[in-house]
Amino acid sequence: AQTVTQSQPEMSVQEAETVTLSCTYDTSESDYYLFWYKQPPSRQMILVIRQEAYKQQNATENRFSVNFQKAAKSFSLKISDSQLGDAAMYFCAYQWPSGSARQLTFGSGTQLTVLP
Amino acid sequence: NAGVMQNPRHLVRRRGQEARLRCSPMKGHSHVYWYRQLPEEGLKFMVYLQKENIIDESGMPKERFSAEFPKEGPSILRIQQVVRGDSAAYFCASSLGQASNQPQHFGDGTRLSIL
Repeated sequence: AQTVTQSQPEMSVQEAETVTLSCTYDTSESDYYLFWYKQPPSRQMILVIRQEAYKQQNATENRFSVNFQKAAKSFSLKISDSQLGDAAMYFCAYQWPSGSARQLTFGSGTQLTVLP
Repeated sequence: NAGVMQNPRHLVRRRGQEARLRCSPMKGHSHVYWYRQLPEEGLKFMVYLQKENIIDESGMPKERFSAEFPKEGPSILRIQQVVRGDSAAYFCASSLGQASNQPQHFGDGTRLSIL
């Protein structure tokens, strides 16, 4: 079974600085998808960024980028120029690319605090 | 706003009552997923449905829980004879299809509290 591990329950960053959130996963598949979701205090689940495993290029979305190391099964999220609105719980998630197992498998989350 | 709509946002039930949670997917989406988030934990998959069909219910508890997605109307997650341990946030997500380039879009969740 696929598992997703986030080893940092809590992280903090100074406003305007850069922070990296870690995520590792376990799978025997070669093709899959990885995601980072953000859950602010409002408890919405907001998609931050997505990476397809067969693509070697790291995904980027404005201030958010990933460092995808397929051999190491590592998928970290880098937030540049951190803003107060980035404070939230961040979840890493894995998804099979095809077949009936379409569900997302989530990690336990990292609570990010942004300090003014 | 054509996002995933869940209602109610908050639901309070006493032990032994029934809870019904509703999810209207995004317009045009025919795939629905239900997840449960216990306090201080990540989301856990419960069930995946397409119109009138349950595709994968491997995450559903064997008793008291059921889900449907009828041809017309919202998807319903039903919990019978609720217990304190059912207190959680229940999220619904929808996708356009099963293809790998179709991301899941989440609703705002229903917070279920059991007294």
